[in-house]
Amino acid sequence: DTGVSQDPRHKITKRGQNVTFRCDPISEHNRLYWYRQTLGQGPEFLTYFQNEAQLEKSRLLSDRFSAERPKGSFSTLEIQRTEQGDSAMYLCASSLGIAGGINEQFFGPGTRLTVL
Amino acid sequence: AQKVTQAQTEISVVEKEDVTLDCVYETRDTTYYLFWYKQPPSGELVFLIRRNSFDEQNEISGRYSWNFQKSTSSFNFTITASQVVDSAVYFCALSELGGYNQGGKLIFGQGTELSVKP
Repeated sequence: DTGVSQDPRHKITKRGQNVTFRCDPISEHNRLYWYRQTLGQGPEFLTYFQNEAQLEKSRLLSDRFSAERPKGSFSTLEIQRTEQGDSAMYLCASSLGIAGGINEQFFGPGTRLTVL
Repeated sequence: AQKVTQAQTEISVVEKEDVTLDCVYETRDTTYYLFWYKQPPSGELVFLIRRNSFDEQNEISGRYSWNFQKSTSSFNFTITASQVVDSAVYFCALSELGGYNQGGKLIFGQGTELSVKP
């Protein structure tokens, strides 16, 4: 059984550049989540997809951030005009949505972004 | 407002000691779920347990046990006879059922770093 995969695992960029990350969820999972984790902190929710629909976005997700899940399978997270404060681990998770309940989320290895 | 507090930032024990990691949560919802995740030095979050708000039974899985008490809004995690491989950061998380579109986002605590020394 293939878990959640993320690409790239590491990204170093210069301030002002655009970056894009990819997440491939567990194949039968219809829900996909993006989180951001900085050193010494717990992950913080960014956004969530149910199939291809983006249903919730955090206030943390500024207008420089955009996420897509075009066919309800893989997802991309793009950050435009990166800032040093964007340096963090970006985590993707997926779960199987159930009516009237919440299943556990399975996390990928993350993409570590460093903005110089 | 939703909030998870893990007051213990770091805990250090010697192998074979028992250790309890505390988790206190806040929510206004009557239906919610609580989770524990382990983040080893390799970095990938590993799911340990899910518990819904209507199930207050304690759970035991091998050396791991969880104590859920709604009266004190706590969901504590105990490792019995700790081992070096238990060294990791442990996160408690809360998810409110809410409306359908809310989708179960996780609100994490700040984590407790457990160090088990041989």
